[in-house]
Amino acid sequence: DAKTTQPTSMDCAEGRAANLPCNHSTISGNEYVYWYRQIHSQGPQYIIHGLKNNETNEMASLIITEDRKSSTLILPHATLRDTAVYYCIVMYSGGSNYKLTFGKGTLLTVNP
Amino acid sequence: DAGVIQSPRHEVTEMGQEVTLRCKPISGHDYLFWYRQTMMRGLELLIYFNNNVPIDDSGMPEDRFSAKMPNASFSTLKIQPSEPRDSAVYFCASSGQGAVKAFFGQGTRLTVV
Repeated sequence: DAKTTQPTSMDCAEGRAANLPCNHSTISGNEYVYWYRQIHSQGPQYIIHGLKNNETNEMASLIITEDRKSSTLILPHATLRDTAVYYCIVMYSGGSNYKLTFGKGTLLTVNP
Repeated sequence: DAGVIQSPRHEVTEMGQEVTLRCKPISGHDYLFWYRQTMMRGLELLIYFNNNVPIDDSGMPEDRFSAKMPNASFSTLKIQPSEPRDSAVYFCASSGQGAVKAFFGQGTRLTVV
């Protein structure tokens, strides 16, 4: 599976949009981009995933560049409860092989 | 839906003792994952199952660790004998067909003294 690179930490003001970048320059054509987050002392939580089109759900938006070498997770109106470690994962999802592995992620701190 | 249920939530044991962690996945899910999380090593995938069959156990650190899934609604992770360096939070997760979205339990915090 392709490797990802994320900033170690980011800050965001409450109520503003949080834009979390992820580089995945070695992504292959059949690999998806997944985002999870982990709030302190809890298990990770799925946020969103996509292949090449931009995606939006009730939690966030995912913007994938046309060459698919990078993506951005957008939390449109960050709240204090969005403070968490955000993980970008690139993975092929098919057959029975589904090795969901986590890197170090980005610690997002939302400030009042 | 109660989500993924892990037990116990906390476990303190003495070095050399056997430890068994338990997981009940979400009904209907056919993937089950075991993870270990420490400050030093982050979140590590230990093993995962598909339809109760282990698919990849390359993350299991040593022979002291073993995992079983006797049926679709139950899995165990056993450490025998336990060592202080096994102290960590252990997470179980499950996912439906295609394994697109994994749901995690609250974790078991294991302390080996």
